[in-house]
Amino acid sequence: GQNIDQPTEMTATEGAIVQINCTYQTSGFNGLFWYQQHAGEAPTFLSYNVLDGLEEKGRFSSFLSRSKGYSYLLLKELQMKDSASYLCAVKDSNYQLIWGAGTKLIIKP
Amino acid sequence: NAGVTQTPKFQVLKTGQSMTLQCAQDMNHEYMSWYRQDPGMGLRLIHYSVGAGITDQGEVPNGYNVSRSTTEDFPLRLLSAAPSQTSVYFCASSGELSGANVLTFGAGSRLTVL
Repeated sequence: GQNIDQPTEMTATEGAIVQINCTYQTSGFNGLFWYQQHAGEAPTFLSYNVLDGLEEKGRFSSFLSRSKGYSYLLLKELQMKDSASYLCAVKDSNYQLIWGAGTKLIIKP
Repeated sequence: NAGVTQTPKFQVLKTGQSMTLQCAQDMNHEYMSWYRQDPGMGLRLIHYSVGAGITDQGEVPNGYNVSRSTTEDFPLRLLSAAPSQTSVYFCASSGELSGANVLTFGAGSRLTVL
């Protein structure tokens, strides 16, 4: 079966750095996505990785290792507005997205 | 640009009732999809469409019907609501399936079936 694993919940301090991990086992790989979802709202796109390595976009970076079936999302200089759920999703061989259950990130002042 | 518009935002149904969740997008996207989101689970694909007149089943299609008569609209019909269909439903669209095309989501519809 296809599976995406991410921690259920993480807590971090305002101004700090946090790394959210995602491991996957899917039938085929056509890219990995990270989405942010604030409580009661729709998911919004954060990042996309298809090749190994680090993609940086402002305070957010995403890393991919296809051989290890592993990705992480790195959030720097945390702000209170970063409190949200972070969803990892992989496009499989049929180009359909397989979603993790999400990691709820709590930021404390 | 409205993006993806979903209605209604909230709905309460009794077991056995039917209803339609509406979804419209104004981005000329070929790909549209319906997901449900339940606590502790990832988004699960119900049905999807790769263009007008074409629909296909996702991971959890039972109890739901869809149609795609135009590029813009992709309604989701619950035929006979059951308490197991209590969930938050999201409509999403993208340019095409391949590559880095990202999904744009509607605001969501929270459905409660009593």
